[in-house]
Formats: sequence, C-alpha cells, structure tokens
Amino acid sequence: QKEVEQNSGPLSVPEGAIASLNCTYSDRGSQSFFWYRQYSGKSPELIMSIYSNGDKEDGRFTAQLNKASQYVSLLIRDSQPSDSATYLCAVRGTGGFKTIFGAGTRLFVKA
Amino acid sequence: SAVISQKPSRDICQRGTSLTIQCQVDSQVTMMFWYRQQPGQSLTLIATANQGSEATYESGFVIDKFPISRPNLTFSTLTVSNMSPEDSSIYLCSVGAGTNYGYTFGSGTRLTVV
Repeated sequence: QKEVEQNSGPLSVPEGAIASLNCTYSDRGSQSFFWYRQYSGKSPELIMSIYSNGDKEDGRFTAQLNKASQYVSLLIRDSQPSDSATYLCAVRGTGGFKTIFGAGTRLFVKA
Repeated sequence: SAVISQKPSRDICQRGTSLTIQCQVDSQVTMMFWYRQQPGQSLTLIATANQGSEATYESGFVIDKFPISRPNLTFSTLTVSNMSPEDSSIYLCSVGAGTNYGYTFGSGTRLTVV
C-alpha cells in the first residue's frame, strides 16, 4: 500500500467549475497535510496546509481533512485555465520534518 | 518564505562521472531536504541534510552514491556519483520553516545521463 495515494487523473473540468482533488494516507499518526501545485517543468509550490479536522479556506481553495477516514481533499472553486497543473498531496508524520508526497493528480481546466 | 538558488538548472553527463548540485538559501534553516522526481512521478526523499552532522538517508539511497555536504545553515550540496542512465531525473532541494510548515523548493536540476 502506498503511503499517500492520489488518483493520477487527468481530471478535466470546465472553466468556472469546482475541481475536487482527493488524497488518502496510510499513517494514522500523520499530523500535517499539504497541497502543492506543480506546473510542467517547474518545481512544486505550496498552496495549502491543514492540521485539524474540518475545512480550511484560502481564496478559491478549500482544504478538507478527515483524520478518522485518513482523507484529505482540495477544492478549487471557479477553476481557471491557469489552474491547470499537477496537484501533489503531501503528509508529514509526528516528530519530524519528513514529508511523503503522493504521485499527484493532473488537472486540466478547459476554457 | 525562504528563497533558494539551485545550480545547475540542467546538465547532460556521461555515465560513470559525478555531478554536484548546489543549493543556497537566503536565510538560515535547520534542515534541508533533497528529493528526486523521475519523469511523470512524484517526489522521493533522498536524504535530510543536517548542519554539523551526517545526512540521514532514506531507504534505497546510500552515502557513497549520493554524498551530501552541509557546511553551514544556508548551503548544501548533493553529489550524484558514478552516474548511470537510471539516475536521469530532476533533483530538488527544499527547506521548511518548521514542523508545521510546508516546504519551499529550489528550481530543480534536470539531469540526463548518457
């Protein structure tokens, strides 16, 4: 079982729609959860972090965490073509900095 | 967040040779991390570079193949030694502000071994 699992996609949504990206993780002791966006040929950039169960909103982005289900999601509202990228889910366990990345979900937003 | 300068941005190397990748951070950081990203895949942690002590390597990565230096709190190097085509990948350094913070990544080094 992979430690952090994501659907590879591609996920295709029309411009203006909500894109929903999902991630599950295996380490029940994980404490910190991150979403990164990676454009083709570029390095990942952090877009959201979440540590507690529930929702966290930042602009058009909402991260959702359910530790009981070991599930993290990212919602992108009013999707734009510029949101087209690979989104990486990342999970950090207790007692350290080590972060495990999922394989990423490719998102295409069609104009 | 920290700004990282990573060099070189890309290189094409002959098999059997070595390449050293440098990362310079604009602020002092306790830990730096080296990742590898093979084409179409996610990031795999190679090692954690600690200032003043040996790097901590992940399973599947050894010091003889990927020696790391961390001479101070703003700089680290990763060497890919005795390269083979299987080492062709993107290598990324990263830093984090703390346990509850995400990482900032360098711009990456795209390595091709021929």
